[in-house]
Amino acid sequence: DGGITQSPKYLFRKEGQNVTLSCEQNLNHDAMYWYRQDPGQGLRLIYYSQIVNDFQKGDIAEGYSVSREKKESFPLTVTSAQKNPTAFYLCASSARTSGMDTQYFGPGTRLTVL
Amino acid sequence: DAKTTQPTSMDCAEGRAANLPCNHSTISGNEYVYWYRQIHSQGPQYIIHGLKNNETNEMASLIITEDRKSSTLILPHATLRDTAVYYCIVHNYGQNFVFGPGTRLSVLP
Repeated sequence: DGGITQSPKYLFRKEGQNVTLSCEQNLNHDAMYWYRQDPGQGLRLIYYSQIVNDFQKGDIAEGYSVSREKKESFPLTVTSAQKNPTAFYLCASSARTSGMDTQYFGPGTRLTVL
Repeated sequence: DAKTTQPTSMDCAEGRAANLPCNHSTISGNEYVYWYRQIHSQGPQYIIHGLKNNETNEMASLIITEDRKSSTLILPHATLRDTAVYYCIVHNYGQNFVFGPGTRLSVLP
């Protein structure tokens, strides 16, 4: 059963703690993405990676970090430097072949910082 | 920079066709029109995309005007499960997707 998994679905952390969100895909996609969504808003791009061991900052990268050591995995760390970390976090991947790069999304992780 | 304009919200009666409009007057020749939807507290779901021809799949139909400055997503027989936020996105291969606020569609019984 191919797809994108994110875990956990809900995550609670105390202010000042770093937290890492998991994203795994078995679609053999080269590119992976992290988005943040606040209530009633669209998605904003945090980081993206087009290939293993390479990634680029998106529009709102401050306070976040990523790694891409394996093709299947693209974990996101929300650091204590992120001023408003409470949000819905979405991971996506795309194939980037044959001129098409449709993105497919995971179910999301809702992070609440207390 | 918003490349698309969509109504904030729409209602549709269950069983009727839902027609969701999108304006993209500054679209360039190699940009595609994509549609996604997001059911509450879930990840966005890809629906359909097109360049200039009308497209149809098992979920919906996409009608793009001849000048490509606007498009309409059609859900032929809306059900309560189609209640969601629908995003119209103009996208060029290799560029990042830009998700605006979308249209909140409410399908009413």
